[in-house]
Amino acid sequence: AQKVTQAQTEISVVEKEDVTLDCVYETRDTTYYLFWYKQPPSGELVFLIRRNSFDEQNEISGRYSWNFQKSTSSFNFTITASQVVDSAVYFCALSVPAQKLVFGQGTRLTINP
Amino acid sequence: EPEVTQTPSHQVTQMGQEVILRCVPISNHLYFYWYRQILGQKVEFLVSFYNNEISEKSEIFDDQFSVERPDGSNFTLKIRSTKLEDSAMYFCASSEQTNTGELFFGEGSRLTVL
Repeated sequence: AQKVTQAQTEISVVEKEDVTLDCVYETRDTTYYLFWYKQPPSGELVFLIRRNSFDEQNEISGRYSWNFQKSTSSFNFTITASQVVDSAVYFCALSVPAQKLVFGQGTRLTINP
Repeated sequence: EPEVTQTPSHQVTQMGQEVILRCVPISNHLYFYWYRQILGQKVEFLVSFYNNEISEKSEIFDDQFSVERPDGSNFTLKIRSTKLEDSAMYFCASSEQTNTGELFFGEGSRLTVL
């Protein structure tokens, strides 16, 4: 069975600080996919990134970056120079082929002005 | 850009009433899902649907729940006799393939059971 752990329940930082959201996953499958979703106060789930298990390259998209490390089963998400609009709940998720997407508990991120 | 649409965005109902939540998946997608999120908690899988039948369901998806694709576009979730604990946000999702896990989510339907 697949499992995702987001140990940080809530994080609060001041605007412009960098912040890293941790995600640790468990699976016995060698092929799997990792995701990050953002859930703003309005409630919808916004897709941020997908990463497959064969691609360990880190990715940067503007102020967002992701660090995928198979050795530690982690897929951490960093926001650089955080902004108030980044305030949301962020979910890490995992799937294996032909099976359901499993979400972590989520991390509530609050960026204070 | 194609998107998954859900209606209603918010429904309030009395305990024991039947509720139908509707979803229009992306048109060329073949796999459909319902997920649930109780307020403040994580997003939980309910059911997946492919080729007009349920392909997987969780223990949450008991006999009170059913899904249907009544026509070529809609995908519905029915709760026969709602309970207080069914209050949650329900997300519909669809995917083109099942082997990549890339789901496209709707904006959710918030159900409040009184």
